[in-house]
Amino acid sequence: GAGVSQSPSNKVTEKGKDVELRCDPISGHTALYWYRQSLGQGLEFLIYFQGNSAPDKSGLPSDRFSAERTGGSVSTLTIQRTQQEDSAVYLCASSPTSGGGYNEQFFGPGTRLTVL
Amino acid sequence: KQEVTQIPAALSVPEGENLVLNCSFTDSAIYNLQWFRQDPGKGLTSLLLIQSSQREQTSGRLNASLDKSSGRSTLYIAASQPGDSATYLCAVLPYGNNRLAFGKGNQVVVIP
Repeated sequence: GAGVSQSPSNKVTEKGKDVELRCDPISGHTALYWYRQSLGQGLEFLIYFQGNSAPDKSGLPSDRFSAERTGGSVSTLTIQRTQQEDSAVYLCASSPTSGGGYNEQFFGPGTRLTVL
Repeated sequence: KQEVTQIPAALSVPEGENLVLNCSFTDSAIYNLQWFRQDPGKGLTSLLLIQSSQREQTSGRLNASLDKSSGRSTLYIAASQPGDSATYLCAVLPYGNNRLAFGKGNQVVVIP
């Protein structure tokens, strides 16, 4: 069956440009998460969507980062005026529900962003 | 704030040896703990999920234990193979939270 998909797989951009990263969660999963994995760092949480509830944006590192989820399915993470420190692998995950011991998160292959 | 530590950061073992990977976390108030595998340039593959009420989970050659009170989990891989070479990540889901807290991983190389 189809897992979480992300596009593009790689993105190289120039400092100051805006980028959009896309995530298609597993069909039927109500919860969607964005994480970032920087070189030498662990994975850090960015943002979380659950159904029609207001997203948890508390992990976004600056106001240059935003995300939306349309129709409870596809999500787009937007980074405006990219900086070199934004270079990282951006991972999306989805789960059938949120919270609780049964919440297993399934990850996509990631988008590797390089800001020159 | 929940902190997750994985030691050692990197290890090499000869093929056929058993692998033991350790994960510790500072706050025992968790819903569950997940072990993931990450191959170079790839995303995360979920290996095992242990709910807070469970002590261990098994899948094939993999066994993961959870001692919530002491804040520890161990991933055990029996009879390692070169295809087991990867980075293994431990993550916990804290109570009242929807975000996984990750360790930095154990980078494993199995030598043929």
